[in-house]
Order: sequence, then structure tokens, then C-alpha cells
Amino acid sequence: AQSVTQLDSHVSVSEGTPVLLRCNYSSSYSPSLFWYVQHPNKGLQLLLKYTSAATLVKGINGFEAEFKKSETSFHLTKPSAHMSDAAEYFCVVSDVGGFKTIFGAGTRLFVKA
Amino acid sequence: DAGVIQSPRHEVTEMGQEVTLRCKPISGHDYLFWYRQTMMRGLELLIYFNNNVPIDDSGMPEDRFSAKMPNASFSTLKIQPSEPRDSAVYFCASSLAGLDTDTQYFGPGTRLTVL
Repeated sequence: AQSVTQLDSHVSVSEGTPVLLRCNYSSSYSPSLFWYVQHPNKGLQLLLKYTSAATLVKGINGFEAEFKKSETSFHLTKPSAHMSDAAEYFCVVSDVGGFKTIFGAGTRLFVKA
Repeated sequence: DAGVIQSPRHEVTEMGQEVTLRCKPISGHDYLFWYRQTMMRGLELLIYFNNNVPIDDSGMPEDRFSAKMPNASFSTLKIQPSEPRDSAVYFCASSLAGLDTDTQYFGPGTRLTVL
């Protein structure tokens, strides 16, 4: 069975400071892992995905995530937060082929000026 | 490409009425997914199709919910009769078979309010 846990429901940072959004997963297979972002009243947009090619994955808008199998983690980071990064972020695990997707509960990121 | 298109964007209806949500996937995509998002339960996969055929509907909450995909460019999610607890944002997503099958592209969602 697969599951995904986002360890923080809310994260607040100041503009220009680093962002860390934490995600732990559980999977019986070698999973595909994703981060999606949802801005208010918008659909979800793919930030990045991991599919075993490289443990450090770079995504859009300066975000990156590192797959750590030993820790079953896939944390999302960004060196310097921007006001436009304020949104909700979802960590997602999927089975082989990507059809059965499990979404985390989401982490809402607040960015202070 | 216009992306995944959903209509209507907002729907307000009364309990007991039939509601139909519509989705047009990205042209050429083989897979189509329906999700529901609520504050209490987060994002839930309801059903997905491959080449217009329903593959897994285990997430459909009740018999009141049904989904169809009559052709490659159109899908509907119907709730009959609707209940207040069905109020949520419903998302449609599509993906393309192949190396990037697991990357889903989401529509803007339909916000459903059942009074």
C-alpha cells in the first residue's frame, strides 16, 4: 500500500529566505514522486517529478527536491522564497505507471514581505 | 494547446438535483482522471479512464456518482441526486501514455455547491 505524509500543514517564511516543505512516503514499489502547486482558485500545476533517474530533481520556478530512499523522504526546497510562491503544495506518490495517485494533505506556504 | 478544459467553473444547485460536470482533456492524451477536493478529505481520485474505458472507479463514493467518456475528447461526471456533502471542487486531469504517463495535467476545476 502507498501513502504520503506532508509533515507540515502550514509553513511561513520571509521573502528571500529558504523554503523547506517536508514529505515522507510509503510504497511497496519503486515509486514515482511528484510535487504539485496550487495557487488560490486554480488547478494544480506540476513542479517536478522523480522517476529514479536522479535523486536530485530540479523543477520549475527554482524548486528542487531530493529523493532519499533510506529516509523515505522527498522534501521540496527553494533557496530564496518569492512572494509569488505563496500557494498550497502537494506531495504525490503514484504506483508503477502512475495511475493510482495518492495526494498528501497539502502544505500551505505563506511568504512574508 | 488550451490545456484541460472544464465546465462549468462554478455550479450552485439544490439538494436532489442532477449535476453534470464536463471535461475536455488535452488532445492526444490517453488517460483521463476525475478528482474531488474538499477541506476534510483533501484530493481524492474518483475514477480514471484509459482510451475511453473506465479502469478504476474504486474511488467513486456512491452509486449517485457516475462517469462516462463517450469519446477521446469528452468526459462527464454526473451526480444524481446531489447532496450538500457533495459540495467540493472537482478536478479533471489527463496524461499521455508513454515515458511520461504519470505526469498529469489538471484543469482549473469546477466548484460545486449543493444547497
